[in-house]
Amino acid sequence: SAVISQKPSRDICQRGTSLTIQCQVDSQVTMMFWYRQQPGQSLTLIATANQGSEATYESGFVIDKFPISRPNLTFSTLTVSNMSPEDSSIYLCSVESTFNEQFFGPGTRLTVL
Amino acid sequence: AQKVTQAQTEISVVEKEDVTLDCVYETRDTTYYLFWYKQPPSGELVFLIRRNSFDEQNEISGRYSWNFQKSTSSFNFTITASQVVDSAVYFCALTRNDYKLSFGAGTTVTVRA
Repeated sequence: SAVISQKPSRDICQRGTSLTIQCQVDSQVTMMFWYRQQPGQSLTLIATANQGSEATYESGFVIDKFPISRPNLTFSTLTVSNMSPEDSSIYLCSVESTFNEQFFGPGTRLTVL
Repeated sequence: AQKVTQAQTEISVVEKEDVTLDCVYETRDTTYYLFWYKQPPSGELVFLIRRNSFDEQNEISGRYSWNFQKSTSSFNFTITASQVVDSAVYFCALTRNDYKLSFGAGTTVTVRA
């Protein structure tokens, strides 16, 4: 199984600021995804991070708010821009691994004041 | 459109009781994949099982077992002889070949000693 790390593990941010979350995988993977889990809720897909091209966003999520980079097959970043308290969530990256299993990183717990 | 329904919001049992978690899905695709994940209080998402739409064999892994029935669009999960460490939120999820997961709302399982 792929080993996924995320930085930071948690952060408390002020309204109006931005936070960049990093996702690092220990092996090359084709598919990387970013999910959001709002407090007490299920997970919702934000976007697919495409290597070498722009991310593909799901309905309700836009690039200006959640810019994503994918410079290579082992790394991606998600930025949460101009944050508001409604952005307080756990943000998780996910990868498709061998045998079509899908694994998640440990998550980044974001609190916006 | 894909949809996953976990009708049970919370289940509370005493240790050593069996627990069955229901998952009903909707999809128009003939090829799809079903997953179960465990999210303990620490927050990480732990992969439990992946099943493709052409494999209706039930599976057992230790105290865990899964019952996949295409006729009723269900993929139920049973924990046998539950333990306190099984206390977590369990998510059922569905994807097509694009690996984008649609999650159910989750079922919170509390196992009391």
